[in-house]
Amino acid sequence: GQQLNQSPQSMFIQEGEDVSMNCTSSSIFNTWLWYKQDPGEGPVLLIALYKAGELTSNGRLTAQFGITRKDSFLNISASIPSDVGIYFCAGRQGGSEKLVFGKGTKLTVNP
Amino acid sequence: GAGVSQSPSNKVTEKGKDVELRCDPISGHTALYWYRQSLGQGLEFLIYFQGNSAPDKSGLPSDRFSAERTGGSVSTLTIQRTQQEDSAVYLCASSHRGFTDTQYFGPGTRLTVL
Repeated sequence: GQQLNQSPQSMFIQEGEDVSMNCTSSSIFNTWLWYKQDPGEGPVLLIALYKAGELTSNGRLTAQFGITRKDSFLNISASIPSDVGIYFCAGRQGGSEKLVFGKGTKLTVNP
Repeated sequence: GAGVSQSPSNKVTEKGKDVELRCDPISGHTALYWYRQSLGQGLEFLIYFQGNSAPDKSGLPSDRFSAERTGGSVSTLTIQRTQQEDSAVYLCASSHRGFTDTQYFGPGTRLTVL
C-alpha cells in the first residue's frame, strides 16, 4: 500500500542538540500528523497540521505542513533523554478516513 | 479516563490456527480503526468502523482477515489459518467521530505465528 517517505531512518544525538526529520510523498495530503511511539505502547499524537504552509508548535516541537501539500517536517529543539522513541509522520488524503504512515525515525539521545 | 485497551497483549500461535484480537475503544468514540505494524515498518491501515459498520475495509490483506464491532463499542479482529507473515503488532485506535478527530491508540497486541 501507499507509504510516506520518512527520513532519516534513525538518529543518534547528544542531549541538548536540535533534531529535524521530514516526510515526503508523491501525492497530496490534506492533513499531516506527527506521532511518537514508545516501546510497547501505541503511537501518541504530537502535532496535527491541517493547512498548507501551517507552522505549529507544541513545547519544544515544531512542525510544518509543506506548501505543496506533499511534505512535512518536525523539529525538536534542545533534546532531552525522554525524547527517545520512534517518531512517525502520517497523512490523510481528502475524503479518506485512513491514515498513511511513514516508516518512522528512531531517535536516540545520549545524556 | 480510560484509554483504548487491547487484549491479549501478546499472542503466540501455531501456523494454521485462528486467532481473535480484541479492542475496547474509549467510551463514546464512534470511530474505530485497526492497523498492523510489522517490524521496522510504519503502521498499515486495515479497517475502519463507524458505529458497527465498516465503510472502509480496503486494507484487509486477505480473506483470512475479518473484523466486527458490536454495540458500537468492542471490536474483534479475527485472523483465520494464520501464516508466519501475519506476525506483527496489531494496533487499534478510536476517535470521537472520525475524520479530523484525533485517533487515540491502544498499546497493541503482539502476534507471533510459529
